[in-house]
Amino acid sequence: KAGVTQTPRYLIKTRGQQVTLSCSPISGHRSVSWYQQTPGQGLQFLFEYFSETQRNKGNFPGRFSGRQFSNSRSEMNVSTLELGDSALYLCASSLEGTGEEKLFFGSGTQLSVL
Amino acid sequence: QKEVEQDPGPLSVPEGAIVSLNCTYSNSAFQYFMWYRQYSRKGPELLMYTYSSGNKEDGRFTAQVDKSSKYISLFIRDSQPSDSATYLCALYTNAGKSTFGDGTTLTVKP
Repeated sequence: KAGVTQTPRYLIKTRGQQVTLSCSPISGHRSVSWYQQTPGQGLQFLFEYFSETQRNKGNFPGRFSGRQFSNSRSEMNVSTLELGDSALYLCASSLEGTGEEKLFFGSGTQLSVL
Repeated sequence: QKEVEQDPGPLSVPEGAIVSLNCTYSNSAFQYFMWYRQYSRKGPELLMYTYSSGNKEDGRFTAQVDKSSKYISLFIRDSQPSDSATYLCALYTNAGKSTFGDGTTLTVKP
C-alpha cells in the first residue's frame, strides 16, 4: 500500500506570493490533516478535512486555507506569504480521523520564503 | 502555558543506554497518547499508542502513562545508533483535536 504522498518536496517563494501544496492520502483514508513544523514552534495543527469538509481548525490566520476533493486528496494554500511561513508542512491521513486512530504522515513539503 | 510540555533536548547517550523521554500535559480531555519518531527530512512515524494509564511494551520500547499526574514517558532499552531521531509525544481528545510536544532530539553514539 502506498504511503502518504506530498508534492512538491521543496519550494522556494518570495514574500507576498501564494503557494499551493498537495497531499495524496493512503488509499481508503478519508481524513487528512495538515501541520506546520518549525524549530521554534514544533508541530502545529493547521486543519483537518473529512469527506470534503473542514472538521477541525487550528489557530492560524485566514491566509492559510485548504480543501479536500472527492477522492480524499487535499491541497493547502497559503496566500500573501510572510518570512515566518518558512517551515516544513506535513500532511497526515487516517481512516476516519477519530482520536484513537493512528496518523500516517507524508515526508512533508519544505517551504522557504525569501 | 502550553497544553503539552516535552522535556527539551538534545539528548546524547552511549549505545546500549536506557533512554527516558517525557511529556507533561494540562488538559484532562486528552484520552489518547502516542509517541512518534521523526528522522531528519522525514515525516513522523508512529511508534507507540496507548489510551490507558499504565505501561505498554513493544520490543525495546515502553510507553508509560500516568493520567492522575498527567505525565507520559517513553523508555528505550538497549538504545542503538539507529534510534537517533527526534521523538514527539502526541495527545488526542475524543473530538480528534491533536496536540504535539515540541520534540526531543536523541543521539545514540556507537
